[in-house]
Amino acid sequence: GENVEQHPSTLSVQEGDSAVIKCTYSDSASNYFPWYKQELGKRPQLIIDIRSNVGEKKDQRIAVTLNKTAKHFSLHITETQPEDSAVYFCAASIDFGNEKLTFGTGTRLTIIP
Amino acid sequence: DVKVTQSSRYLVKRTGEKVFLECVQDMDHENMFWYRQDPGLGLRLIYFSYDVKMKEKGDIPEGYSVSREKKERFSLILESASTNQTSMYLCASTPGPSSGNEQFFGPGTRLTVL
Repeated sequence: GENVEQHPSTLSVQEGDSAVIKCTYSDSASNYFPWYKQELGKRPQLIIDIRSNVGEKKDQRIAVTLNKTAKHFSLHITETQPEDSAVYFCAASIDFGNEKLTFGTGTRLTIIP
Repeated sequence: DVKVTQSSRYLVKRTGEKVFLECVQDMDHENMFWYRQDPGLGLRLIYFSYDVKMKEKGDIPEGYSVSREKKERFSLILESASTNQTSMYLCASTPGPSSGNEQFFGPGTRLTVL
């Protein structure tokens, strides 16, 4: 089955700086890569996703890049703000029909004011 | 607004008890999922269902079973709870094929097995 590795497990950045979280996946058949954000005590929520036919996608301060050859994808957050502090999970899907996801182990991002 | 609800936020049970965790979604979603969340291990899929009375094993199904008798309700059952099943349990749902991939999560049930 699919295996998703995520790094780093914790990340602290100064407010206003950029943060990058990286994930690798094992199954070349994976074709959908979402990122979820989980604030403390709350449920995970989708923040951005990318499909295998696209190399990069942006949504305001958040961007995701995908390198299918190397089987890795990354989340980039620019101009970080205190409300970006959360745990971020990457995921990969090899079964589009029923949206089964394999999640990474998570990155706890802390924004230092 | 999609709403996914879980029957309890916190639950304390004793070793050997049978435990039921209920999940209900109100948006007529086809697919439903049960995950457990543990620090450093992320979200691990226990079981999922893509139709009423259908179920598929996820990555860690041992010690668990599920039931989906109605489209909106997906139950996770611990037949004989053990201390290593102490965890946060999250339910999620998605609309179905060609209707979007976003997983909508419930608030979670923190289960403690003593």
